[in-house]
Amino acid sequence: AQSVTQPDIHITVSEGASLELRCNYSYGATPYLFWYVQSPGQGLQLLLKYFSGDTLVQGIKGFEAEFKRSQSSFNLRKPSVHWSDAAEYFCAVGALSGGSNYKLTFGKGTLLTVNP
Amino acid sequence: DAGITQSPRYKITETGRQVTLMCHQTWSHSYMFWYRQDLGHGLRLIYYSAAADITDKGEVPDGYVVSRSKTENFPLTLESATRSQTSVYFCASSEHSTSSYEQYFGPGTRLTVT
Repeated sequence: AQSVTQPDIHITVSEGASLELRCNYSYGATPYLFWYVQSPGQGLQLLLKYFSGDTLVQGIKGFEAEFKRSQSSFNLRKPSVHWSDAAEYFCAVGALSGGSNYKLTFGKGTLLTVNP
Repeated sequence: DAGITQSPRYKITETGRQVTLMCHQTWSHSYMFWYRQDLGHGLRLIYYSAAADITDKGEVPDGYVVSRSKTENFPLTLESATRSQTSVYFCASSEHSTSSYEQYFGPGTRLTVT
């Protein structure tokens, strides 16, 4: 079964600083990988996804992520953080099981605080 | 373009009562999912459905019942609510083509069981 680890429960950065959120996954085959963001009181919004091809993927709001198969990682990055980026971020791995059944497994999330 | 909606957004109920959370999507997505979100646990899958009349258990199905008579609706019922079911519940849907496995989430229902 697949699993996702987000090692950092809470990260604080200053506005304008760079950001990297870590995500490690466990899955036997090529995974489908996702990053979602959740603002307080809101649902989850998809930031970006990796299915195949170029290992550096671009997403919305200036975020990018790099898939590194050798490290089983899919870290999220942003070169300059804005105060509006304060939110909780979830990494997820998707896998097929039992034929066409498909499920996402989420990490426990990283809460991002942005200092002015 | 309504997308995916959940109702009610907030619900307070008493232990032992039955409560149903509603989920409706306008995209005709084949797959629908119910998650619960609890501090320290992230999102955990309760049930999912691959199509109308096809449902399957997720990670934490005990105490919950689902049905899916129409593609667009996927209600979640707590037959006899317990305090441990106090949580935020999210519904999601997915198209499931070979190039699209991402899930789209509703705004959530905050359920408190007293």
